[in-house]
Order: sequence, then C-alpha cells, then structure tokens
Amino acid sequence: QKEVEQNSGPLSVPEGAIASLNCTYSDRGSQSFFWYRQYSGKSPELIMSIYSNGDKEDGRFTAQLNKASQYVSLLIRDSQPSDSATYLCAVPPRGGYNKLIFGAGTRLAVHP
Amino acid sequence: DTAVSQTPKYLVTQMGNDKSIKCEQNLGHDTMYWYKQDSKKFLKIMFSYNNKELIINETVPNRFSPKSPDKAHLNLHINSLELGDSAVYFCASSQLAKTGANGYTFGSGTRLTVV
Repeated sequence: QKEVEQNSGPLSVPEGAIASLNCTYSDRGSQSFFWYRQYSGKSPELIMSIYSNGDKEDGRFTAQLNKASQYVSLLIRDSQPSDSATYLCAVPPRGGYNKLIFGAGTRLAVHP
Repeated sequence: DTAVSQTPKYLVTQMGNDKSIKCEQNLGHDTMYWYKQDSKKFLKIMFSYNNKELIINETVPNRFSPKSPDKAHLNLHINSLELGDSAVYFCASSQLAKTGANGYTFGSGTRLTVV
C-alpha cells in the first residue's frame, strides 16, 4: 500500500459544481494533513491544512478529515475553470514533522 | 520579495556534466528541502536541512550533494549527470514545529534536462 494514495483522475466537473477530491494515508500516527494545488508548469501552492477530525472551511474550499478511516478530502464549491489544476495531498509520517509525503495528485478539469 | 527563489529556472546539459542549483528563502524558516518531481508528476523528498544540518537523506545517489551555508540557503550539486536525472527539482522551506508539520513554501522549480 502506498503511503498516500489519490485517484489520478482526471476528475471533470462542470462550472459551478462541487468537486470532491479524496486521499487516503497509511500511517495511523499522522497528525497533519495538507492540500496543495499545482498548475501546469508551476510549483505546488498550499491551499488547506487540517489537523483535527471534522471539517475546516476556507472560502470555497472545505477540508474533511476522518482519522479513524485514514481519509482526508477536499471539496471545492462553485468550481471555476481557474480551479483546473492538479491537487496534491501531503501527509507527514508519525514523528516525521520534517518530511511531507505527497500523493501522486488528482488532476481536476472544470469545464464551462 | 520572492519567498523561496531558485536559480536557474531551466537547465539543459549533457550527460556526464556537473551542475548546481541554488535556493534561497527570506521567510526566516529553519528547515529547507529538495524535492524531485518526475515526468509522472510524483513529488519525492530528496534532502532536508534544519538550521544547516542534514536531517533527511532519502536513498539519493551520492552524485547528489546538498550544501547549506546558512539556514536561508540550500544548494544542490549534481555530479556526472545521467539521463534519468531529468526532472523538475523544487526547493521548499518550512518552520519545523514539535506539535506537527507545517506546510511548505515551494520555490518555482528548476527544470533539468539531461541530453
């Protein structure tokens, strides 16, 4: 099992819809979870972090964490074509605060 | 006022050459990293330095040698370049926290092409 798993996509959603991106991780001891957005040819950009079970909202983005199921998701409400990018889930291993392990990323395409 | 800056942005070189990539951050972070992103877009950690000390070295060939003259700079020197070294190399920084990881700030990347 990979340490951080994501569906590679592409996930195609119409403009205005909710995009749901999922990530599972293998280390039960992980305490911090991050979502990065990477546009083609650009560097990853941190968009959300979550540390506790439940939901965390920031504008159109909501991160959801379920540690019992080792599952973290990112919801993007009112998706816009400008949200089209690859979304990377990143998790540090237990005690490995100085190292983030990235999933392979999910490519999101928002079409008008 | 770029937070994490890398140079050069593009690097095209022949097999067997030696090249360096430089990275500087002005965020006051104490930890810096080198990540490699291959053609499948998979980001993998190579090295991590905390206050100039190497703390992570992930099964990277010893042709790759990082150097951190101070906590704001982390350079990567690559000897005897091979075709398989072609990738995008990202520098990143973060503030290490005992209570959990903080997110990274990435540089703009260096696209290395070995021909």
